[in-house]
Amino acid sequence: GDSVTQMEGPVTLSEEAFLTINCTYTATGYPSLFWYVQYPGEGLQLLLKATKADDKGSNKGFEATYRKETTSFHLEKGSVQVSDSAVYFCALSDRSNTGKLIFGQGTTLQVKP
Amino acid sequence: DTAVSQTPKYLVTQMGNDKSIKCEQNLGHDTMYWYKQDSKKFLKIMFSYNNKELIINETVPNRFSPKSPDKAHLNLHINSLELGDSAVYFCASSQRGADNEQFFGPGTRLTVL
Repeated sequence: GDSVTQMEGPVTLSEEAFLTINCTYTATGYPSLFWYVQYPGEGLQLLLKATKADDKGSNKGFEATYRKETTSFHLEKGSVQVSDSAVYFCALSDRSNTGKLIFGQGTTLQVKP
Repeated sequence: DTAVSQTPKYLVTQMGNDKSIKCEQNLGHDTMYWYKQDSKKFLKIMFSYNNKELIINETVPNRFSPKSPDKAHLNLHINSLELGDSAVYFCASSQRGADNEQFFGPGTRLTVL
């Protein structure tokens, strides 16, 4: 079945460091891909999305490019802030009528001042 | 003007009790979901309703029963609660056909003692 694999966390960075969180997927067909962020004690918020190959999603300085050839959707940010500390989830939607999201295991990011 | 709301935010109860969690969305979406997040932050779909019709029913004990009285509400009733039911339960909604972008509620933290 469809699946999403993220890099293991936690990831600890200093403020202004470059961030990469790896995400790869397995799916039949052409899924939509998402990054969600969960701040401590809160629900999930959509960070960015891409719906077809070579699309780049971007928001709040974060970017991810839908790479069909490597089945990847890595999340990047050029300069992280303490306020970016959160859990980041990569997810796919298989475009079936069910519309369900399949999530990776989440990657905790901690940014230190 | 909360988009997806859940009540209660916290629920502490004894083993064997029956409890309900309520979810409401004011986004006009036609599809709603319940997800379970375990202690390791892993998220898994439980149920989904589209226009009040059940379309996803993952491998979930039949002690869990969703009910959708209308498109804007999806409640989750749990009978005979067990220790392993302790988790955070998230409600989400989306509009079918809109790239399946899902909007999440703040979550209900259920603790079974």
